[in-house]
Amino acid sequence: SQQGEEDPQALSIQEGENATMNCSYKTSINNLQWYRQNSGRGLVHLILIRSNEREKHSGRLRVTLDTSKKSSSLLITASRAADTASYFCATDSWGKLQFGAGTQVVVTP
Amino acid sequence: GAGVSQSPSNKVTEKGKDVELRCDPISGHTALYWYRQSLGQGLEFLIYFQGNSAPDKSGLPSDRFSAERTGGSVSTLTIQRTQQEDSAVYLCASSLSRPEKLNTEAFFGQGTRLTVV
Repeated sequence: SQQGEEDPQALSIQEGENATMNCSYKTSINNLQWYRQNSGRGLVHLILIRSNEREKHSGRLRVTLDTSKKSSSLLITASRAADTASYFCATDSWGKLQFGAGTQVVVTP
Repeated sequence: GAGVSQSPSNKVTEKGKDVELRCDPISGHTALYWYRQSLGQGLEFLIYFQGNSAPDKSGLPSDRFSAERTGGSVSTLTIQRTQQEDSAVYLCASSLSRPEKLNTEAFFGQGTRLTVV
C-alpha cells in the first residue's frame, strides 16, 4: 500500500516557471521527505522536513508541511530543463519509509 | 562501498523459476528497505529491516516473496515460482535511521529490473 498521494500526477511547464506539487498522507509521521527519480531507476533525496517544522528551503526548493491537514507541498522555482524527472514524497513513521505515486514533471526549454 | 549496490542490474527469467536479488547497503546503515516499482508507477513498499529487530514484512505481496538480511548487512530478496506480474524494478535503500536517531535520508541503489517471460 502507498501512504502518500501526489497531486498532480503530471505537470508540464516551461523553463523559468515555478512547479508546485502536493502530497497528502494518512498516518502520523516523524518527517516527510521528497525524492527525485530520473529514468525509472534509483531515487535521490532532495529535502527532509520534520513534523515540528512548517517550511524549509534548499536552493530552488521550498517545502511546506501542514500536519493538521496531513499534507505537504514542494515548490521548484525558476525551473530548468534538467529538473525534468519524477518527484516522490515519502513519509517516515518511526523509520519506515513509504512513498506516494509521484508527480512526473516535464520542463521544456 | 560508496553507495548502495544492487545485483544483478537486469534479470530475465522464465515463469515459474525462482530468482534472488541482492542488495549491499552502505556500511554502517542499520535500516534497509525493499521496494517494487512497476512501469510509470510509484514505489510499493515490500519489507523494512531495522537493526536486529524483526523485519516489517507487511508489504510482501504473497508468500512467494521473502527476504533476509545476514549479519545486519547484505540483504537478499527471493521470489519463488515467478509470475509475469512480478516483472518490475526492485529497489533497495538503506539509511542510518534507527529508533534513537530518526530524521535521516535514505540512499537508493540503481535497482534490479526483473522481467518474467
